[in-house]
Amino acid sequence: ETGVTQTPRHLVMGMTNKKSLKCEQHLGHNAMYWYKQSAKKPLELMFVYSLEERVENNSVPSRFSPECPNSSHLFLHLHTLQPEDSALYLCASSQDGARYNSPLHFGNGTRLTVT
Amino acid sequence: SQQGEEDPQALSIQEGENATMNCSYKTSINNLQWYRQNSGRGLVHLILIRSNEREKHSGRLRVTLDTSKKSSSLLITASRAADTASYFCATDWPDDNYGQNFVFGPGTRLSVLP
Repeated sequence: ETGVTQTPRHLVMGMTNKKSLKCEQHLGHNAMYWYKQSAKKPLELMFVYSLEERVENNSVPSRFSPECPNSSHLFLHLHTLQPEDSALYLCASSQDGARYNSPLHFGNGTRLTVT
Repeated sequence: SQQGEEDPQALSIQEGENATMNCSYKTSINNLQWYRQNSGRGLVHLILIRSNEREKHSGRLRVTLDTSKKSSSLLITASRAADTASYFCATDWPDDNYGQNFVFGPGTRLSVLP
């Protein structure tokens, strides 16, 4: 049990579908992250939320829309995706910020396949 | 880019041997962290070493940091089949922004053969 729970574990969707990924952390952290992990590419940071405010958006296409209603929950809303968006989407949390030198705690990810 | 680069990309050893993985980065850092990822799972944090530290141990893991060479190494001693996984280094560097700046390398795929 990692303390960070992601649902669903697997998701197959068509390019015209709308779906959402959910992440919940039980560690009392105040920062949450979405990462994308594609085959043969390094982890790509997509979004960072600190104290429920988005502090970074790494030039992610608008078909990905994050939502952070509170410090324990993070969503990634998906809309009109492309096949190249197929990847493992990882959620992480940490005790922000840089002065705490705190590590990331990851969920087990959602394996997304866009058909 | 600040991205760390692990070396080698893949490593295959026999059970009981030691495994050494290296990470290089480009600019000054707050800390450097090592993570492990089993196939299809999330990353698990192993060790964090601060920029003013040179060596750190945790069980069978030993991490060194050489800020003059901008490099770090992860040593796993007496490896086990269960150590088979991908290992990533992540660098975190000082920034005025409140959020942390973690950048991951592409990873080393370690296979420990029984």
